[in-house]
Amino acid sequence: ELKVEQNPLFLSMQEGKNYTIYCNYSTTSDRLYWYRQDPGKSLESLFVLLSNGAVKQEGRLMASLDTKARLSTLHITAAVHDLSATYFCAVDHTGTASKLTFGTGTRLQVTL
Amino acid sequence: GAGVSQSPRYKVAKRGQDVALRCDPISGHVSLFWYQQALGQGPEFLTYFQNEAQLDKSGLPSDRFFAERPEGSVSTLKIQRTQQEDSAVYLCASSGTGDGDKALHFGNGTRLTVT
Repeated sequence: ELKVEQNPLFLSMQEGKNYTIYCNYSTTSDRLYWYRQDPGKSLESLFVLLSNGAVKQEGRLMASLDTKARLSTLHITAAVHDLSATYFCAVDHTGTASKLTFGTGTRLQVTL
Repeated sequence: GAGVSQSPRYKVAKRGQDVALRCDPISGHVSLFWYQQALGQGPEFLTYFQNEAQLDKSGLPSDRFFAERPEGSVSTLKIQRTQQEDSAVYLCASSGTGDGDKALHFGNGTRLTVT
């Protein structure tokens, strides 16, 4: 059974600071997704990582994938309050994006 | 439409009642997914359609759960004889077929509360 673990589960950080969220998974996969969810809202797609070594950046967020280590990271640079949300990674072990297994999420709170 | 549309937004059902949740995917998206999200948890896969064919229903928790997509567009998730443990947000997602668009696009969900 595929397991996806994120850490930390909760992160409180000050504006302007940097931090990394980790996503570990238990079985081989070449496809990993990062989503953002605001309270009471749906999931917004942030990144799709499709191969080993893939790195994508959007604004203050950068995601990477190491399929050999079964690890993805989401790095936050110079956090701002607007980044406060819950971040999920999700792994596709079917190769066809037909079934994602989500992590438990990391709730990020950026304080002034 | 511009995004995935789900209705109703909220549903309160008494235990034992049947409910039907609707999903209208992004136009042209052949793949449609249902996920269940319990409070404070990540979404969990329920079922997957490609056009009108239900290719994977391994995540449906019991035979009280049934999903259909008869014309390959709108989908309905039906839950019979609802139980309190069915209380959750039910998310629908769709995706396109192009290599550059493998991300799932989620709707706002239906929050089901079973009393």
